[in-house]
Amino acid sequence: DAGITQSPRHKVTETGTPVTLRCHQTENHRYMYWYRQDPGHGLRLIHYSYGVKDTDKGEVSDGYSVSRSKTEDFLLTLESATSSQTSVYFCAISELGAKDNEQFFGPGTRLTVL
Amino acid sequence: TQLLEQSPQFLSIQEGENLTVYCNSSSVFSSLQWYRQEPGEGPVLLVTVVTGGEVKKLKRLTFQFGDARKDSSLHITAAQPGDTGLYLCAGPRGKTSYDKVIFGPGTSLSVIP
Repeated sequence: DAGITQSPRHKVTETGTPVTLRCHQTENHRYMYWYRQDPGHGLRLIHYSYGVKDTDKGEVSDGYSVSRSKTEDFLLTLESATSSQTSVYFCAISELGAKDNEQFFGPGTRLTVL
Repeated sequence: TQLLEQSPQFLSIQEGENLTVYCNSSSVFSSLQWYRQEPGEGPVLLVTVVTGGEVKKLKRLTFQFGDARKDSSLHITAAQPGDTGLYLCAGPRGKTSYDKVIFGPGTSLSVIP
């Protein structure tokens, strides 16, 4: 199994509070991704990174920011959590990019915003 | 906007039955991937198809990429309870995209013993 962990695994927070989710990899892969998964929507890309300090927006980036100061860590921050951000969040890594190459997914973080 | 649609959304079958699930788009994709996600876990890649008309087999699973590269199917022969999960297709986002993909909404399969 690819060495990828997410923390926390579960979190309950209140509307308006900031939240940071962490993704940590031990594979030294260049690409890292944050997705959210909601019923009926599959996986939707929030932000991704193609190198240290190199990030770009995905299709549902509003209300989220990311940072990657080291190859192994990719942080997702919800600046001011809203109930619509209740979801399961997955981090993924890829050595050569997602097209035609495998993405390895972490175990997910279940976030509930009350 | 590129979209991937999957059907059926839900499928519940008895152990030993055969089934086919579909991934469709109005856009041409240079390749498509199939992932399986078990409850409480992240998705795991099953296969990547890159040539129109291509057929790939993985034990009891047969994947086909449509000739026009707008659709793909996954056929499972003699389904087993271990096949239970969410099946997701994914394709490159944009003609020149090499670094990110879009996912379909998935087919949730339940195989009853």
